Amino acid sequence: DADVTQTPRNRITKTGKRIMLECSQTKGHDRMYWYRQDPGLGLRLIYYSFDVKDINKGEISDGYSVSRQAQAKFSLSLESAIPNQTALYFCATSDSGNTGELFFGEGSRLTVL
Amino acid sequence: AQKITQTQPGMFVQEKEAVTLDCTYDTSDQSYGLFWYKQPSSGEMIFLIYQGSYDEQNATEGRYSLNFQKARKSANLVISASQLGDSAMYFCAMREGLYGGSQGNLIFGKGTKLSVKP
Repeated sequence: DADVTQTPRNRITKTGKRIMLECSQTKGHDRMYWYRQDPGLGLRLIYYSFDVKDINKGEISDGYSVSRQAQAKFSLSLESAIPNQTALYFCATSDSGNTGELFFGEGSRLTVL
Repeated sequence: AQKITQTQPGMFVQEKEAVTLDCTYDTSDQSYGLFWYKQPSSGEMIFLIYQGSYDEQNATEGRYSLNFQKARKSANLVISASQLGDSAMYFCAMREGLYGGSQGNLIFGKGTKLSVKP
């Protein structure tokens, strides 16, 4: 099983619907992140959490919210999805020790019609 | 604000040849970390290599090496003896702060698509 698991892997929804992307990890890392990838734009940070009681906005948080339910779980919500939120979403974790490289989930491809 | 620039949207290389993927960065911090990730067509993000700003030696991991030129603020990835499986998107990233416990987050460049020709 993957160390960082995202569900769903693919989702097609309609404008105005509420969507939740879930992420769970078995790496025991304290830090978790949500990134969004668009073609030609690289990965952009949406939200991040350094521990269960710590939630921070990233570069592009408008239209998104998150919940850190436990150390191992970090979910991303789109309260009212819009077409320009169509993208590939990645959850990632990192350890506060060592170099802190990110460990990514397999991605969730979201299409908003 | 920190910034990462990858100027090569796409590159081709012949199988078995070496290739250099460019990355320049901009930061006012003295302590920072530089990362390279690979994203194959299957979509997953794979960590390749890390260089800390105080590391005097260029980082190496197998066929990957990071050509770190601090004064030029460049962190180019060199792949030796290219293989067909190296065809992928490659992302350069930087974090202000050396270690995983620092307050900075990874900021990514826009990526370079590498195609290896047989």
